[in-house]
Amino acid sequence: GAVVSQHPSRVICKSGTSVKIECRSLDFQATTMFWYRQFPKQSLMLMATSNEGSKATYEQGVEKDKFLINHASLTLSTLTVTSAHPEDSSFYICSAGVIKTYTYGYTFGSGTRLTVV
Amino acid sequence: QKEVEQDPGPLSVPEGAIVSLNCTYSNSAFQYFMWYRQYSRKGPELLMYTYSSGNKEDGRFTAQVDKSSKYISLFIRDSQPSDSATYLCAMSGGFQKLVFGTGTRLLVSP
Repeated sequence: GAVVSQHPSRVICKSGTSVKIECRSLDFQATTMFWYRQFPKQSLMLMATSNEGSKATYEQGVEKDKFLINHASLTLSTLTVTSAHPEDSSFYICSAGVIKTYTYGYTFGSGTRLTVV
Repeated sequence: QKEVEQDPGPLSVPEGAIVSLNCTYSNSAFQYFMWYRQYSRKGPELLMYTYSSGNKEDGRFTAQVDKSSKYISLFIRDSQPSDSATYLCAMSGGFQKLVFGTGTRLLVSP
């Protein structure tokens, strides 16, 4: 089945530094990847949609200069949280859209827990 | 009104019970319906995927979609403690962003 690998699974960083999260599709080409943020006991909040080779589309209220998304290849998308602050601490999850013959679905990465101290 | 409504629970059942999880939605353009299971601090795992109306069965899990009522369900038979997790319904109108329900937390006690 489709596998999406997300790294790191957990990261602690100091306030003001930047953190990069990687999301790789291991056995398929993902033309579209989605980045979500999830607060404790809440559902997933879509941050942005990333298409290979083009600029990401951000949801309303998401700062594109703070959350930099790059989708340079069909198997890799990255999210960089720039100048992180404690309020950026959250669970970040990527997913890739998969289209195969007679099937359809979205596969999620395992998530990255970011703690900014 | 939210596009997708889901009871947040928690839903507590004894082991072996039949569990019924539901979502309602308002957007008639939705064609693809999914159920995800999410364990604490993990990414969601796709359980069931259904296109348009109908039923789909996979082991102990059955997904139902009633587009006329804008209502989808997930049934879990012979529930196990390992089924304890948050279940998220999700849907879309095509190869587009998913719209999620808030998730229902399920607790299956031994």
